[in-house]
Amino acid sequence: ELKVEQNPLFLSMQEGKNYTIYCNYSTTSDRLYWYRQDPGKSLESLFVLLSNGAVKQEGRLMASLDTKARLSTLHITAAVHDLSATYFCAVVISLDSNYQLIWGAGTKLIIKP
Amino acid sequence: DTGVSQDPRHKITKRGQNVTFRCDPISEHNRLYWYRQTLGQGPEFLTYFQNEAQLEKSRLLSDRFSAERPKGSFSTLEIQRTEQGDSAMYLCASSLPFRLAGRQETQYFGPGTRLLVL
Repeated sequence: ELKVEQNPLFLSMQEGKNYTIYCNYSTTSDRLYWYRQDPGKSLESLFVLLSNGAVKQEGRLMASLDTKARLSTLHITAAVHDLSATYFCAVVISLDSNYQLIWGAGTKLIIKP
Repeated sequence: DTGVSQDPRHKITKRGQNVTFRCDPISEHNRLYWYRQTLGQGPEFLTYFQNEAQLEKSRLLSDRFSAERPKGSFSTLEIQRTEQGDSAMYLCASSLPFRLAGRQETQYFGPGTRLLVL
């Protein structure tokens, strides 16, 4: 059974600081997603990572994937208050011709001005 | 707005009642997913449609849950004889056909229906 673990589950940080969220998963997968969720809102896609060593960046967020270590990271550079949200990683498991996403529990990020 | 829409946004019901939720996916998306999310957790997969065919169903989905997508467009999720444990956010997502999106396929989520069973 695929397990996806995120850490930390909660992170409070000051504006301007850097930090990294980790996503570990327990079995082979060739695709990983990062999503953002604001309180009471739905999920917004941030990144899809497709291969070992993949790195994607959007603004102050950078995501990477190491399929050998079964680890993805979401790095936040010089955090700003607007990045406060819960961040989820989701890992693909393939089922015949279909697939499912298995989700981590989320990292709640609070950035204080 | 051409995103995924869900109706209603909120539903309060008494235990034992039946409820039905609707999801309208993005128009060119043929894949549709239902998830359940409880507070402090990630989404939990419930079921998946490709066009009108229901191709996957979670083992966690009890017989009280049923989903349909009769014409391959909108979908409904019905919960019969609701229990307090059914209280959650029910999320719908849709995505492009694999032949168009390939491995970049991304699920786009609706705003969710928040269910409270009293």
